[in-house]
Amino acid sequence: RKEVEQDPGPFNVPEGATVAFNCTYSNSASQSFFWYRQDCRKEPKLLMSVYSSGNEDGRFTAQLNRASQYISLLIRDSKLSDSATYLCVSSPGGYSTLTFGKGTMLLVSP
Amino acid sequence: DAGVIQSPRHEVTEMGQEVTLRCKPISGHNSLFWYRQTMMRGLELLIYFNNNVPIDDSGMPEDRFSAKMPNASFSTLKIQPSEPRDSAVYFCASPTEFTGELFFGEGSRLTVL
Repeated sequence: RKEVEQDPGPFNVPEGATVAFNCTYSNSASQSFFWYRQDCRKEPKLLMSVYSSGNEDGRFTAQLNRASQYISLLIRDSKLSDSATYLCVSSPGGYSTLTFGKGTMLLVSP
Repeated sequence: DAGVIQSPRHEVTEMGQEVTLRCKPISGHNSLFWYRQTMMRGLELLIYFNNNVPIDDSGMPEDRFSAKMPNASFSTLKIQPSEPRDSAVYFCASPTEFTGELFFGEGSRLTVL
């Protein structure tokens, strides 16, 4: 079983739509969680950290459900520029144990 | 700050040839990671250095792969001999100590024919 699993998509949504991605992790000892964004043929960049209490950054909301071992990312009012692959990351601690999911592709159309 | 700098950006080589990828981490970052990304396997950690010392190389696929970090501002990943299955994008990344955010270089896209 993969440590971090994501639906590869693509999720095709119109501009202005709300879209949500889930990511499940298998290591119950995971303590840190992140969402990274990767544009086509570019490097991954940190989108946001995921805190136990959940966190929001503008149109983006991240939530953690420890009981079910999943994290989610909600994007409201989707923009064309949100089109990218979103990578879920978990870690029980320490940089060497960062585990990346394969990513979920989002395509926002006019 | 120039960010993490990698070279070459693209390399096409023939099976059996030696490949050397280079990375300059962000100044002041004490750790450096080498990742490989493919469609099939996603992002995989190959090796991790802290203060120029290799800490975890369990992700290095086999003896054909080697990595060095002779000083705080330079690292290399070498593949000898290269094989077609090594074709991938190789990323170098360094984290900030305060937030743990990983900053990736633009990657080196390797094609082995």
